[in-house]
This record gives sequence, C-alpha cells and structure tokens, in this order.
Amino acid sequence: SQQGEEDPQALSIQEGENATMNCSYKTSINNLQWYRQNSGRGLVHLILIRSNEREKHSGRLRVTLDTSKKSSSLLITASRAADTASYFCATLTGGGADGLTFGKGTHLIIQP
Amino acid sequence: DGGITQSPKYLFRKEGQNVTLSCEQNLNHDAMYWYRQDPGQGLRLIYYSQIVNDFQKGDIAEGYSVSREKKESFPLTVTSAQKNPTAFYLCASSFSNRPGTDTQYFGPGTRLTVL
Repeated sequence: SQQGEEDPQALSIQEGENATMNCSYKTSINNLQWYRQNSGRGLVHLILIRSNEREKHSGRLRVTLDTSKKSSSLLITASRAADTASYFCATLTGGGADGLTFGKGTHLIIQP
Repeated sequence: DGGITQSPKYLFRKEGQNVTLSCEQNLNHDAMYWYRQDPGQGLRLIYYSQIVNDFQKGDIAEGYSVSREKKESFPLTVTSAQKNPTAFYLCASSFSNRPGTDTQYFGPGTRLTVL
C-alpha cells in the first residue's frame, strides 16, 4: 500500500517562482526522502530528513518534517526550467536495508 | 544514475515468455532492490536483497523471481505468471546496516512491453 501521498498531483508555475510540494504518510517512520524523476528516467535522490529532524536545506531545496502531523514539505526556491520533473517522497520504515515506500508523486512544470 | 546500470533500456516480449532484466552496480553496496512503476504512479517494491545469496519479497513479488549470486548483480526475471508485466522497472542499491547511509541510488530503468 502507498505510505506517502504527495499533494498536489500536478503543479505549474513560472520560472523564478517558488514551488512547494507536500507529502503525508500514515505510519511511524525512520526517515523521509525526496526524489526527482525526469520523464522516463531513473530516480535521483534529493534530500533525506530523519525523524528527529525538523528542517533541512540543500542548495535551493528546503525540506520540513512534522512527525506529529505525519507530513513533510519540499520547497524549491527560484525555480528553473530544468526543475521540471516528477517529485516523490519516500519513507523508510524498516532497519535500513528494507525497501522504500513511495507516493504517487507531484508533477512539476516550470514555464519559462 | 550513479554506478548502477540496467539493461536493456527497452524490452519487448511476447505474452507467455519469461524475461530477465539485468542490474549491475559498482558502488560496493550491500543492498539491492527492484521496483515497478506504472504510468502516473509511484514505485512499488518487488524484491530486495540485503546480502549475497539472500533476498526478500516486497509488496508485489508474485510472478517475479530474483537471484543474488554476486554482490554486484541482482537480475530480475519476469515470469509468465505475472499477469500484467508491462511496466517501467527500476533497480536501486544502498549501503545496509550503516546508520546515516540509507539513500538509495537508482539505475536508469528498463521499460518492458509485453505484446
């Protein structure tokens, strides 16, 4: 079953604007990860946030985690056309070598 | 895509035939995974392996088989028992039993079409 659910399903913004995507999950987690997938390609890891962390930054990416609400958000600042992709949240509930559970993703379109 | 390769990129097979998808990694990772992705959907775990000669079923293992004879290789066989095999298949690997290294690295994927 899907653990994470991203919201919105699709998002279209102008280049230079900020993009925010949300992820909700159902059970306790070890960590939560965000991945990007360009059309027809493999996934690229963006950022990992552990259950005892509340916020994490990486370049133009900012991820927050609220374990009380079982939710996370991914903010991409100053968006670029190259950011056009699908973004997935994934949760790790096992001991490290278990598989990730992915949501259905948010499809982000950056219009020039 | 890191140090993970999948072949072939596109694969066409007739219904009723078994087909094996290749996944190789040179990252010295202990754990390897197979996921399936259907259009507009997230990934679903098929099988995973924590060490050589050991593997575990994921959420949708029926109709699939794997082997892990070498650390670098984790081939997936889609058998004729898989009722809806047409999909995009992604292989991934990660360090296991190492705190703080839970990131999974993905291959470029194989798109399987069963005619």
